[in-house]
Order: sequence, then structure tokens, then C-alpha cells
Amino acid sequence: GENVEQHPSTLSVQEGDSAVIKCTYSDSASNYFPWYKQELGKGPQLIIDIRSNVGEKKDQRIAVTLNKTAKHFSLHITETQPEDSAVYFCAASPPFGNEKLTFGTGTRLTIIP
Amino acid sequence: EAQVTQNPRYLITVTGKKLTVTCSQNMNHEYMSWYRQDPGLGLRQIYYSMNVEVTDKGDVPEGYKVSRKEKRNFPLILESPSPNQTSLYFCASSFKAGNTEAFFGQGTRLTVV
Repeated sequence: GENVEQHPSTLSVQEGDSAVIKCTYSDSASNYFPWYKQELGKGPQLIIDIRSNVGEKKDQRIAVTLNKTAKHFSLHITETQPEDSAVYFCAASPPFGNEKLTFGTGTRLTIIP
Repeated sequence: EAQVTQNPRYLITVTGKKLTVTCSQNMNHEYMSWYRQDPGLGLRQIYYSMNVEVTDKGDVPEGYKVSRKEKRNFPLILESPSPNQTSLYFCASSFKAGNTEAFFGQGTRLTVV
């Protein structure tokens, strides 16, 4: 089955700087790669996703890049703000609807004011 | 409002005392699943359900039971809780297993003493 590795496990950045979180996956058939944000006391919530026919996707200060050859994808947050502090999870799943999402182990991002 | 509702949010119990954590979704999703979240281990799937009366083991099913008698409800049952089941639990639902957004509940913090 799919295996997703996520790095780093913790990340602290100064407010206004950029943050990058990286994930690698093992199943070359995977074609859907979402990122979830978990704020304190809440469940994970989808913030952005990318499919394998696209190399990069942006949504305001958040972007995700995908390298299918190397089997890795990354989350980029620019101009970080205190509200970006949270735990972030990457995930991957194959194109078949009956195959589940496999999550990474999470990254705790702390924005230093 | 589309949501997944878990209850209770917090629970402290004693070893061996049966408990049930309820989960309900209002999005008519076919796929529902339970995860536990532990430090450094990310989100690990306990059980999942592809549809009514169809359930199967996830990655860490030992000590847990589930049922899916109605499409909207997916309770998690701990017949004889043990301290190693102390964890943060999340219920999630989606249109299908993978390749689509998963919606998470707010979480249930369980402590078994």
C-alpha cells in the first residue's frame, strides 16, 4: 500500500518569512495530493489539493508543487502570519475511488511574532 | 451547514468500561472512517465503511468495533478500553474513499485510566 513520509515534524519561522513542508510517497499510481490544516482543538481541514496532471497550484499565500518523477510534493506558505500556526498533514491516494487517503505524520508549524 | 459531528468531545473512563463515541454526517457521504491521532504517528485509520452495512478494518483495528446501520451514523465502540487507547479520535466522511476531500469532526479526546 501507499506510504507517505513528511518532513520536518516541527518548523518554526519568523512572521513574514516563508515555510516549506515536504512529503514523499511510494505508490506511483497515486494522483491526488491534498494538504490539511489542523488548528488547536479542531479537526483537520482541507486547505489545498493538487492532482497529478498539474505541477503547481496556488491559492493566495499557499502553493503546492508536485514532482511525479521524484514522487514528492511540497506545501509553500509565503508571508506567514500568526494564524498559520497549526499542524499540517499531507496525504496521497490513487485515482481509484475505493482506495483510501494515506496521511503523513504531520508538521507542527509555529509562527514567531 | 455541512458538518461531521462527534460526541463526546472529551471523555475520561476506567479500564474495561465499555464506551461508544458517536459520529454523524449530514452530507449524504457513502464513505466514513475513524482515525486516532498520536504524537509523532499522525492520523492512523482504525475502521472504515464504504456504505451502509459495509465496514472493514483499517491499519490499527485491535480493540475497536464499529457499525453502520444508517448512512449518516458511524459509531466507534470500545468494548473493553485499555490505557493504550488513550488518544485523540477523529471521525471523517467523504463521497468516496480516496481522490476526494475528507471532512473531519472536531475530535474526541479519550483518556483511559
